[in-house]
Amino acid sequence: GNSVTQMEGPVTLSEEAFLTINCTYTATGYPSLFWYVQYPGEGLQLLLKATKADDKGSNKGFEATYRKETTSFHLEKGSVQVSDSAVYFCASGTNAGKSTFGDGTTLTVKP
Amino acid sequence: GAGVSQSPRYKVAKRGQDVALRCDPISGHVSLFWYQQALGQGPEFLTYFQNEAQLDKSGLPSDRFFAERPEGSVSTLKIQRTQQEDSAVYLCASSLGGSSVDTIYFGEGSWLTVV
Repeated sequence: GNSVTQMEGPVTLSEEAFLTINCTYTATGYPSLFWYVQYPGEGLQLLLKATKADDKGSNKGFEATYRKETTSFHLEKGSVQVSDSAVYFCASGTNAGKSTFGDGTTLTVKP
Repeated sequence: GAGVSQSPRYKVAKRGQDVALRCDPISGHVSLFWYQQALGQGPEFLTYFQNEAQLDKSGLPSDRFFAERPEGSVSTLKIQRTQQEDSAVYLCASSLGGSSVDTIYFGEGSWLTVV
């Protein structure tokens, strides 16, 4: 079946540090790939997505590139802020529209 | 409304009780999903509707779980004879269409605690 494996946390960084959260997937066919973010006390919200190989999703300074050859969709940000502290979930979307999620990575950014 | 709305936000049930969780999707969204999120884990798919048709219920963990969307808008997830392992956050989500490229919008969830 489909699965998503993401880097275990928690991750603690200082403000302005570089962030990478690894994500790999297994899927039949060609899924769309997503990163969702859950800020404290809030619901899941879409951060960025990519729908085909070599696409780059980007939003709020975050980026991720759909790498079919390595079945990866790593999340990166060049300079994190305290306000980026949240739980990040990688997900793959199947043709039916349902998604398979990773277990989440908790990011804490310290001033 | 502007987003996906779920109620109740918090529910404490005694083991063996039945519970019903309601979801109001974004107006006009064709697809509706239910997910279960245990503490410290990612959401796990339960079931999927396209309009009023339940197209996939492969994630429902047992026959105690039942979902409906009779008029293609509001949906209810019902859990009969609740067990402690049912304690989780139940997330509802909707999307405009039914393909893998559609953005899924999540509600804030219904937190169920079975005691």
